Amino acid sequence: EAGVAQSPRYKIIEKRQSVAFWCNPISGHATLYWYQQILGQGPKLLIQFQNNGVVDDSQLPKDRFSAERLKGVDSTLKIQPAKLEDSAVYLCASSPGHGNSPLHFGNGTRLTVT
Amino acid sequence: DQQVKQNSPSLSVQEGRISILNCDYTNSMFDYFLWYKKYPAEGPTFLISISSIKDKNEDGRFTVFLNKSAKHLSLHIVPSQPGDSAVYFCLDGNTDKLIFGTGTRLQVFP
Repeated sequence: EAGVAQSPRYKIIEKRQSVAFWCNPISGHATLYWYQQILGQGPKLLIQFQNNGVVDDSQLPKDRFSAERLKGVDSTLKIQPAKLEDSAVYLCASSPGHGNSPLHFGNGTRLTVT
Repeated sequence: DQQVKQNSPSLSVQEGRISILNCDYTNSMFDYFLWYKKYPAEGPTFLISISSIKDKNEDGRFTVFLNKSAKHLSLHIVPSQPGDSAVYFCLDGNTDKLIFGTGTRLQVFP
């Protein structure tokens, strides 16, 4: 089974620039998550999709962050404009969305904002 | 407020010895817990789970114990290996989203 794919692996941008991250979940997984992990902290949930609908985006800074999963498969997360404090690893995860099935994570995109 | 907490930010253990990672929870309604492991530059991976119908679940070198009266669970790794060096997260498995704390960083040295 192919895992969760994320790209790019690394990204360096200047503050106020825009950036986008891409995630392709495991085939057939209905639920997709984006997490932000700042150095020294645990991952923080930004947004959860069920198919192409948003289930929870309560912790997404909507003034600068947006995410979409238009066809209910892959997803993009965008930051516009970036701030220094957005430097973090952005992790995508997916799960079948039923029962107690564990989440499967990608290896993340490390963003550095200078 | 964090309802599942790991109070030890780090643990250092010699190879071959037992590693014990601890976790406390506040909500007695919680009945399903997960442990995830995270290596640097990788995403977290599911390690082991436990349901409150059991007080122990074992998978190879990894055993999780649940003490419902104390609202405490622990992950035992025996014997510890250098490849076990990672950050371990204890999580409430009762929801469809994982809420992470800061975890416990385990270092296994030769």
